[in-house]
Amino acid sequence: QAVLTQPASLSASPGASASLTCTLRSGINVGTYNIYWYQQKPGSPPQYLLRYKSDSDKQQGSGVPSRFSGSKDASANAGILLISGLQSEDEADYYCVIWHSSDVVFGGGTKLTVL
Amino acid sequence: EVQLVESGGNLVQPGGSLRLSCAASGFTLSDHFIDWVRQAPGKGLEWVGRSRNKANSYTTAFAASVEGRFTISRDDSKSSLYLQMNSLKTEDTAVYYCAREIQGAFDIWGQGTVVTVSS
Repeated sequence: QAVLTQPASLSASPGASASLTCTLRSGINVGTYNIYWYQQKPGSPPQYLLRYKSDSDKQQGSGVPSRFSGSKDASANAGILLISGLQSEDEADYYCVIWHSSDVVFGGGTKLTVL
Repeated sequence: EVQLVESGGNLVQPGGSLRLSCAASGFTLSDHFIDWVRQAPGKGLEWVGRSRNKANSYTTAFAASVEGRFTISRDDSKSSLYLQMNSLKTEDTAVYYCAREIQGAFDIWGQGTVVTVSS
Protein backbone atom coordinates (compact mmCIF):
# COMPACT_ATOMS: atom_id res chain seq x y z
CA GLN A 1 0.00 0.00 0.00
CA ALA A 2 1.39 3.41 -0.95
CA VAL A 3 2.30 5.84 1.82
CA LEU A 4 0.13 8.58 0.23
CA THR A 5 -2.91 7.93 -1.95
CA GLN A 6 -4.57 10.57 -4.10
CA PRO A 7 -7.50 10.07 -6.47
CA ALA A 8 -6.23 10.02 -10.02
CA SER A 9 -8.68 12.61 -11.27
CA LEU A 10 -11.31 15.09 -10.20
CA SER A 11 -13.62 17.35 -12.18
CA ALA A 12 -15.36 20.49 -11.02
CA SER A 13 -17.09 23.49 -12.53
CA PRO A 14 -15.78 27.04 -12.72
CA GLY A 15 -16.74 29.01 -9.63
CA ALA A 16 -17.28 25.88 -7.57
CA SER A 17 -15.02 24.43 -4.89
CA ALA A 18 -12.84 21.37 -5.23
CA SER A 19 -11.60 19.23 -2.36
CA LEU A 20 -8.51 17.17 -3.17
CA THR A 21 -7.69 14.42 -0.72
CA CYS A 22 -4.41 12.82 0.26
CA THR A 23 -4.91 9.69 2.35
CA LEU A 24 -2.09 8.43 4.53
CA ARG A 25 -1.43 4.71 4.82
CA SER A 26 -2.86 3.01 7.85
CA GLY A 27 -0.48 3.32 10.76
CA ILE A 28 0.77 6.74 9.68
CA ASN A 29 -1.17 9.33 11.66
CA VAL A 30 -2.03 12.43 9.64
CA GLY A 31 -2.13 14.51 12.81
CA THR A 32 1.62 14.31 13.27
CA TYR A 33 2.58 15.41 9.78
CA ASN A 34 2.98 18.57 7.82
CA ILE A 35 1.19 18.10 4.48
CA TYR A 36 2.70 20.03 1.59
CA TRP A 37 0.80 20.71 -1.63
CA TYR A 38 2.16 21.45 -5.10
CA GLN A 39 0.54 22.39 -8.39
CA GLN A 40 2.01 21.35 -11.73
CA LYS A 41 0.81 22.48 -15.12
CA PRO A 42 1.81 20.67 -18.32
CA GLY A 43 5.36 21.37 -19.41
CA SER A 44 6.18 23.31 -16.24
CA PRO A 45 7.90 22.48 -12.97
CA PRO A 46 5.80 22.08 -9.83
CA GLN A 47 4.89 25.16 -7.80
CA TYR A 48 4.64 25.19 -4.04
CA LEU A 49 1.15 26.04 -2.80
CA LEU A 50 1.05 25.59 0.95
CA ARG A 51 1.88 23.62 4.08
CA TYR A 52 -0.73 22.52 6.56
CA LYS A 53 -0.32 20.85 9.91
CA SER A 54 -3.11 22.47 11.88
CA ASP A 55 -5.13 25.66 11.86
CA SER A 56 -2.48 27.22 14.09
CA ASP A 57 0.47 25.82 12.15
CA LYS A 58 0.23 26.42 8.43
CA GLN A 59 1.96 28.39 5.72
CA GLN A 60 0.81 29.80 2.42
CA GLY A 61 3.29 29.83 -0.43
CA SER A 62 4.50 33.16 -1.66
CA GLY A 63 1.93 34.71 -3.98
CA VAL A 64 -0.51 31.83 -3.63
CA PRO A 65 -4.11 33.07 -3.53
CA SER A 66 -6.08 32.56 -0.33
CA ARG A 67 -8.66 30.51 -2.23
CA PHE A 68 -6.15 27.67 -1.89
CA SER A 69 -6.29 26.32 1.65
CA GLY A 70 -5.39 23.21 3.58
CA SER A 71 -7.09 21.11 6.19
CA LYS A 72 -7.17 17.58 7.57
CA ASP A 73 -9.82 14.94 8.09
CA ALA A 74 -8.58 12.93 11.04
CA SER A 75 -11.38 10.37 10.72
CA ALA A 76 -10.23 9.59 7.17
CA ASN A 77 -6.53 10.01 8.04
CA ALA A 78 -6.26 12.43 5.15
CA GLY A 79 -4.93 15.83 4.22
CA ILE A 80 -7.15 18.05 2.10
CA LEU A 81 -6.44 20.82 -0.38
CA LEU A 82 -9.50 23.01 -0.86
CA ILE A 83 -9.68 25.25 -3.88
CA SER A 84 -12.57 27.67 -3.82
CA GLY A 85 -13.87 29.81 -6.67
CA LEU A 86 -12.38 27.51 -9.28
CA GLN A 87 -10.89 29.15 -12.33
CA SER A 88 -9.85 27.61 -15.64
CA GLU A 89 -6.21 28.31 -14.74
CA ASP A 90 -6.53 25.93 -11.77
CA GLU A 91 -6.64 23.00 -14.17
CA ALA A 92 -3.46 21.12 -13.30
CA ASP A 93 -1.97 18.16 -11.47
CA TYR A 94 -1.81 18.46 -7.70
CA TYR A 95 0.61 16.56 -5.49
CA CYS A 96 0.68 16.12 -1.73
CA VAL A 97 3.94 15.48 0.10
CA ILE A 98 5.02 14.40 3.56
CA TRP A 99 8.37 13.84 5.16
CA HIS A 100 8.35 10.25 6.42
CA SER A 101 11.30 8.46 8.00
CA SER A 102 13.66 11.19 6.73
CA ASP A 103 12.48 10.65 3.17
CA VAL A 104 10.28 12.88 1.07
CA VAL A 105 7.19 11.04 -0.11
CA PHE A 106 5.02 12.30 -2.96
CA GLY A 107 1.46 11.22 -3.53
CA GLY A 108 0.62 9.95 -6.99
CA GLY A 109 -1.08 13.21 -7.93
CA THR A 110 -4.62 14.26 -8.82
CA LYS A 111 -5.46 15.67 -12.24
CA LEU A 112 -7.99 18.45 -11.69
CA THR A 113 -10.18 19.30 -14.65
CA VAL A 114 -12.20 22.51 -14.57
CA LEU A 115 -15.10 22.29 -16.98
CA GLU B 1 15.75 37.05 -9.29
CA VAL B 2 15.90 33.85 -7.30
CA GLN B 3 16.46 31.08 -9.83
CA LEU B 4 17.69 27.53 -10.34
CA VAL B 5 18.79 26.28 -13.74
CA GLU B 6 19.52 22.63 -14.48
CA SER B 7 21.70 21.36 -17.29
CA GLY B 8 23.52 18.22 -18.39
CA GLY B 9 20.63 16.00 -19.36
CA ASN B 10 21.33 13.65 -22.27
CA LEU B 11 20.79 10.26 -23.81
CA VAL B 12 22.96 7.63 -22.11
CA GLN B 13 23.20 3.86 -22.38
CA PRO B 14 22.22 1.58 -19.52
CA GLY B 15 25.13 1.19 -17.14
CA GLY B 16 26.51 4.58 -18.11
CA SER B 17 27.08 7.75 -16.10
CA LEU B 18 25.91 11.32 -16.31
CA ARG B 19 26.44 14.47 -14.26
CA LEU B 20 23.67 17.02 -13.94
CA SER B 21 24.29 20.60 -12.85
CA CYS B 22 22.05 22.98 -10.95
CA ALA B 23 23.10 26.63 -11.05
CA ALA B 24 21.68 28.97 -8.41
CA SER B 25 21.27 32.72 -8.64
CA GLY B 26 19.65 35.38 -6.49
CA PHE B 27 20.45 33.67 -3.20
CA THR B 28 23.40 32.21 -1.31
CA LEU B 29 23.57 28.53 -2.22
CA SER B 30 25.60 27.54 0.85
CA ASP B 31 22.79 28.68 3.16
CA HIS B 32 20.26 26.29 1.70
CA PHE B 33 19.27 22.66 1.36
CA ILE B 34 18.87 21.67 -2.29
CA ASP B 35 16.95 18.59 -3.39
CA TRP B 36 16.63 16.67 -6.63
CA VAL B 37 13.22 15.45 -7.73
CA ARG B 38 12.49 13.50 -10.92
CA GLN B 39 9.49 12.78 -13.05
CA ALA B 40 9.36 9.84 -15.41
CA PRO B 41 7.44 10.38 -18.66
CA GLY B 42 3.73 10.63 -17.91
CA LYS B 43 4.28 9.79 -14.26
CA GLY B 44 4.28 11.53 -10.91
CA LEU B 45 7.05 13.15 -8.92
CA GLU B 46 9.71 11.16 -7.10
CA TRP B 47 12.22 12.51 -4.59
CA VAL B 48 15.79 11.57 -5.51
CA GLY B 49 18.05 13.10 -2.89
CA ARG B 50 19.12 16.07 -0.82
CA SER B 51 22.22 18.14 -0.16
CA ARG B 52 22.07 19.89 3.17
CA ASN B 53 23.60 23.32 3.67
CA LYS B 54 27.02 24.40 4.92
CA ALA B 55 25.77 24.62 8.50
CA ASN B 56 24.88 20.93 8.22
CA SER B 57 28.23 20.04 6.68
CA TYR B 58 26.76 19.50 3.22
CA THR B 59 25.63 16.02 4.18
CA THR B 60 23.47 14.14 1.71
CA ALA B 61 20.57 11.70 1.72
CA PHE B 62 19.09 9.64 -1.08
CA ALA B 63 16.02 7.65 -1.95
CA ALA B 64 16.45 3.90 -1.73
CA SER B 65 16.01 3.61 -5.51
CA VAL B 66 19.24 5.54 -6.18
CA GLU B 67 21.25 4.99 -3.00
CA GLY B 68 24.78 3.84 -3.84
CA ARG B 69 24.50 4.95 -7.48
CA PHE B 70 23.91 8.70 -7.19
CA THR B 71 25.94 11.31 -5.34
CA ILE B 72 25.58 15.07 -4.85
CA SER B 73 28.39 17.59 -4.65
CA ARG B 74 28.62 21.37 -4.57
CA ASP B 75 30.88 24.15 -5.73
CA ASP B 76 29.71 27.16 -3.79
CA SER B 77 32.26 29.36 -5.58
CA LYS B 78 30.28 28.67 -8.75
CA SER B 79 26.91 28.66 -6.96
CA SER B 80 26.38 25.23 -8.42
CA LEU B 81 25.37 21.80 -7.28
CA TYR B 82 25.89 18.53 -9.12
CA LEU B 83 24.06 15.22 -9.28
CA GLN B 84 26.43 12.44 -10.33
CA MET B 85 24.49 9.46 -11.64
CA ASN B 86 26.29 6.15 -12.13
CA SER B 87 25.14 2.68 -13.17
CA LEU B 88 22.13 4.20 -14.87
CA LYS B 89 19.07 2.07 -15.52
CA THR B 90 16.24 2.52 -18.00
CA GLU B 91 13.96 3.33 -15.06
CA ASP B 92 16.09 6.40 -14.32
CA THR B 93 14.69 8.01 -17.47
CA ALA B 94 12.99 11.21 -16.31
CA VAL B 95 12.99 14.96 -16.13
CA TYR B 96 15.27 15.90 -13.25
CA TYR B 97 14.49 19.01 -11.23
CA CYS B 98 16.57 20.69 -8.57
CA ALA B 99 14.61 22.55 -5.92
CA ARG B 100 15.44 24.79 -2.98
CA GLU B 101 14.14 23.46 0.28
CA ILE B 102 13.06 25.74 3.11
CA GLN B 103 11.49 24.22 6.23
CA GLY B 104 10.49 21.17 4.29
CA ALA B 105 8.92 23.01 1.38
CA PHE B 106 10.38 23.13 -2.12
CA ASP B 107 9.83 26.80 -2.78
CA ILE B 108 11.94 27.33 -5.89
CA TRP B 109 12.24 24.83 -8.75
CA GLY B 110 14.34 24.78 -11.86
CA GLN B 111 12.84 24.10 -15.28
CA GLY B 112 14.27 20.59 -15.36
CA THR B 113 16.67 18.65 -17.56
CA VAL B 114 15.84 15.47 -19.48
CA VAL B 115 17.73 12.24 -18.90
CA THR B 116 17.04 9.32 -21.22
CA VAL B 117 18.59 5.95 -20.48
CA SER B 118 18.29 3.71 -23.50
CA SER B 119 20.37 1.49 -25.74
